[in-house]
Amino acid sequence: QSALTQPASVSGSPGQSITISCTGTSSDVGGYNYVSWYQQHPGKAPKLMIYDVSNRPSGVSNRFSGSKSGNTASLTISGLQAEDEADYYCSSYTRSSTIFGGGTKLTVL
Amino acid sequence: EVQLVQSGAEVKKSGESLKISCKGSGYRFSSYWIAWVRQMPGKGLEWIGIVYPGDSDTRYSPSFQGQVTISADKFTSTAYLQWSSLKASDTAMYYCARSPYCSGGGCYSCDYWGQGTLVTVSS
Repeated sequence: QSALTQPASVSGSPGQSITISCTGTSSDVGGYNYVSWYQQHPGKAPKLMIYDVSNRPSGVSNRFSGSKSGNTASLTISGLQAEDEADYYCSSYTRSSTIFGGGTKLTVL
Repeated sequence: EVQLVQSGAEVKKSGESLKISCKGSGYRFSSYWIAWVRQMPGKGLEWIGIVYPGDSDTRYSPSFQGQVTISADKFTSTAYLQWSSLKASDTAMYYCARSPYCSGGGCYSCDYWGQGTLVTVSS
């Protein structure tokens, strides 16, 4: 299976909102409500930020939100903060495997 | 507190074997899937496979089937990823992660991650 498609980079100023897209197919993103988003700071392990398309784990800021329309999922970060600068990966369940997006580097200007 | 603690960095030569570990604590180890994920230098995340420690049920991503072996010991709360003959292209950071729900070869999400084990293979 091919990786999910994410933009290579996005940027925003502190306080602004940004959205990262994650495009798949009807066999992955579009076929299941099991899209997750992970944040990874340099040299650190990934951290779960959103699961099941739009749910936040305990302890994750409500500035992070997720949604899905058809074969495309989205992660929105509102009120950007310097600490949000990181790589973000989407993932989707499929019957044969879990697949990831290629990752998006978020720069806070 | 849920923790996954992985074994330390490894430096190996092509053709050598290797087994890295991931020890869980703070939860019922046998009741959650453990996934292994590869991250090659400067690249994204790749799904290797999963193991259910309760009954050692193991599933592999088609891309990694036959390339690695995943196992788990529920009595020591430890999962393993091993290679019988390393290649230079196996050089990467390897993460283990916990997943509450998996079906077939995939999992819905991974809620806790280990700190990673860096494997360096020289030719």
